[in-house]
Amino acid sequence: NAGVTQTPKFRVLKTGQSMTLLCAQDMNHEYMYWYRQDPGMGLRLIHYSVGEGTTAKGEVPDGYNVSRLKKQNFLLGLESAAPSQTSVYFCASRHGQGENYGYTFGSGTRLTVV
Amino acid sequence: EDQVTQSPEALRLQEGESSSLNCSYTVSGLRGLFWYRQDPGKGPEFLFTLYSAGEEKEKERLKATLTKKESFLHITAPKPEDSATYLCAVQANTGFQKLVFGTGTRLLVSP
Repeated sequence: NAGVTQTPKFRVLKTGQSMTLLCAQDMNHEYMYWYRQDPGMGLRLIHYSVGEGTTAKGEVPDGYNVSRLKKQNFLLGLESAAPSQTSVYFCASRHGQGENYGYTFGSGTRLTVV
Repeated sequence: EDQVTQSPEALRLQEGESSSLNCSYTVSGLRGLFWYRQDPGKGPEFLFTLYSAGEEKEKERLKATLTKKESFLHITAPKPEDSATYLCAVQANTGFQKLVFGTGTRLLVSP
């Protein structure tokens, strides 16, 4: 049981390049999320999904796209990377009910756009 | 707008020196308040979920409490391995599916 797995762990992009970040969870969770974490700021929600085939915008969606073709995978795409997208990206899935309700996060992808 | 403020930003303790971290919040209607631990280069690790004022939860040396305006994370007799950044987040019970995070408290416990 690996939990939430993110690939890649590190990436350097040039401005204008594109890439896809992959999030995979093996816990059969319906809800999945993409957050970014920047110094001095709390984690901010980019996009989320409430189930296979569904996606929705979060707090800071501009410049990103997502897809959830399979329940276990949630992909985050950057079509044309900008230096402002330099950040650490975390994927999360929501688990449990009642006492065990919470969110499980992956280990992150550190992205630098030069 | 939902908001979370954590204090202090950083805290240095000696091993065994108990203290508390504060999380003040405003939310339209609270579904849950979450505490996470984050080690450098890692993702947030789930600690607790609190749902209503007066609730308390414990795990080893950590105890989380909740009032209508704030939550405290009490650390009793901390050890160096408790050194980490502790994050607080709230989720409203209406509409948007998001956690609103604070910026965290960096805790350093010296031997």
